[in-house]
Amino acid sequence: GAVVSQHPSWVICKSGTSVKIECRSLDFQATTMFWYRQFPKQSLMLMATSNEGSKATYEQGVEKDKFLINHASLTLSTLTVTSAHPEDSSFYICSARDEGRGLYEQYFGPGTRLTVT
Amino acid sequence: TQLLEQSPQFLSIQEGENLTVYCNSSSVFSSLQWYRQEPGEGPVLLVTVVTGGEVKKLKRLTFQFGDARKDSSLHITAAQPGDTGLYLCAGAKVGGSRLTFGEGTQLTVNP
Repeated sequence: GAVVSQHPSWVICKSGTSVKIECRSLDFQATTMFWYRQFPKQSLMLMATSNEGSKATYEQGVEKDKFLINHASLTLSTLTVTSAHPEDSSFYICSARDEGRGLYEQYFGPGTRLTVT
Repeated sequence: TQLLEQSPQFLSIQEGENLTVYCNSSSVFSSLQWYRQEPGEGPVLLVTVVTGGEVKKLKRLTFQFGDARKDSSLHITAAQPGDTGLYLCAGAKVGGSRLTFGEGTQLTVNP
């Protein structure tokens, strides 16, 4: 139980294009999902909290117009990197809270490796 | 300022040795999670501790939550090469849902 999937697992795009990453909770419903960014050999950095049916809450320093988040259903959140640039290349990971299991535990997807050329 | 200080950042040991990873903060957490992450994959939840002084065991891994709920430790007994990975502690503050992560401990267990 508590499985989270991400798609795609890796993507290469050209500078200036947009990329959409999907995060799905497969066997539970999640009113709250989280998007993280991780650089090599570093810890996770929270980008935003995705709330089903309402606007996402972005962390300080994260451009909401560049990283568009949509949480249209209880099992799907999407992150769109708009007008991507090489500095956006990173490992993007989503997580979801299974509120049926506990208030605090988050279950992570396998991540999406984004490379912008 | 890092809310959760994790140490050591890097640890390279021989198979069979014991080790302890520490996670410290000046803040009180309602719960603390430990995750293990392998390269190119997402973190996998190992344990959640919620009660001050709580000790949980998962085979050769022992997790402890400090009495004041400000710190935690992970002890691995007789480490094996399969234990190699990035270990992350993450705390949830009282009344909040977001997790704050420590910097991580990169563990390498050499055969």
